[in-house]
Amino acid sequence: QQQVKQSPQSLIVQKGGIPIINCAYENTAFDYFPWYQQFPGKGPALLIAIRPDVSEKKEGRFTISFNKSAKQFSLHIMDSQPGDSATYFCAASLSLRAQKLVFGQGTRLTINP
Amino acid sequence: DTGVSQDPRHKITKRGQNVTFRCDPISEHNRLYWYRQTLGQGPEFLTYFQNEAQLEKSRLLSDRFSAERPKGSFSTLEIQRTEQGDSAMYLCASSPPWGRGATNEKLFFGSGTQLSVL
Repeated sequence: QQQVKQSPQSLIVQKGGIPIINCAYENTAFDYFPWYQQFPGKGPALLIAIRPDVSEKKEGRFTISFNKSAKQFSLHIMDSQPGDSATYFCAASLSLRAQKLVFGQGTRLTINP
Repeated sequence: DTGVSQDPRHKITKRGQNVTFRCDPISEHNRLYWYRQTLGQGPEFLTYFQNEAQLEKSRLLSDRFSAERPKGSFSTLEIQRTEQGDSAMYLCASSPPWGRGATNEKLFFGSGTQLSVL
């Protein structure tokens, strides 16, 4: 019940395309849903996050769509660029204050020029 | 750069040896986390400190693992009698005191310590 399932495992998109990464969770007590971006040899960096009382959040080219009834959320990257090529992780936490994050398995995204 | 600093970046050790990693959080961040990441997987939570108090420990943190944050600043993670299954990237993250505004939800990760147990 603590798992977060992420798909696809890898994704290749042409520059300017809109990659979409999906995540599903079981535990309805999760209260915070961040997305992290990780480059090789680096730690994850917070990209964007959402709380369950909101259905959509946009920050720059990144959008989270959240479907509470389906227990699913997704990341959309508008006007994707080769520099967006990285591994993306969704995550969930029971608390915003103490972030014992449960991460998805990750999606390796490649944006071709 | 005032990000989260981890030392060493890489550690190679033989099975059975003890290893210790250090994490220096961002200044004034009183919350500190340790996560472990194996190749091709997402990070897994290990433990959480608020100031010097260790408030949560994952079941992943066996008796061979111990973490400390003696003065509420830097933290150390020690693994005793290392096993090959301990090979992973050990990540440290920190966040500011609760109630400091919009940034208090953000976890800042370091670049990790890559441990290889031979």
